[in-house]
Amino acid sequence: GAGVSQSPSNKVTEKGKDVELRCDPISGHTALYWYRQSLGQGLEFLIYFQGNSAPDKSGLPSDRFSAERTGGSVSTLTIQRTQQEDSAVYLCASRAGTGVPGELFFGEGSRLTVL
Amino acid sequence: DQQVKQNSPSLSVQEGRISILNCDYTNSMFDYFLWYKKYPAEGPTFLISISSIKDKNEDGRFTVFLNKSAKHLSLHIVPSQPGDSAVYFCAARPIYGNKLVFGAGTILRVKS
Repeated sequence: GAGVSQSPSNKVTEKGKDVELRCDPISGHTALYWYRQSLGQGLEFLIYFQGNSAPDKSGLPSDRFSAERTGGSVSTLTIQRTQQEDSAVYLCASRAGTGVPGELFFGEGSRLTVL
Repeated sequence: DQQVKQNSPSLSVQEGRISILNCDYTNSMFDYFLWYKKYPAEGPTFLISISSIKDKNEDGRFTVFLNKSAKHLSLHIVPSQPGDSAVYFCAARPIYGNKLVFGAGTILRVKS
């Protein structure tokens, strides 16, 4: 498809388990973002990749969270030893180098529930 | 600290009337402001934006107003339609960097 693709769409896991969330951005988009939305909250920035530059990890809430972007395309967000407060919708977005400044194209999100 | 605030969690409007969604920001170091719309189980989609050097931008039924002295922006939807019912997020882009800062969102319900 032409849009940002995320998988899985839903993930239920037990506290303490590791999870991986995948994002396939729009082809040709150089920037990739991860945000999360907890219940009743706004979108919280997690991490940002731009081309071959070092990622901006300033939004990652703890060292249990990590992300990588392989080959400048697909990204994986990994949460180790999940906690109940990690339950949220994790949204991936990509951005083109041109177009409306700041316009992000979001995927449908991965809903994570930690029991 | 919340740099972008949407103080109204929800808004209910009659079809055909005007919807006004508000957003306040605390940091002057933003150069673009954007509104995103989100339907349930979907990702947010870009709706309209405004540069910090402008005070108004209009696109069809949607108009965004920016009041820099008050650090306030608003989204006007006229006339409102039932299909406009969604969560609306205000976002700001810092002058240095590309990390959008989002507000908490406002749920708009347009009643037919």
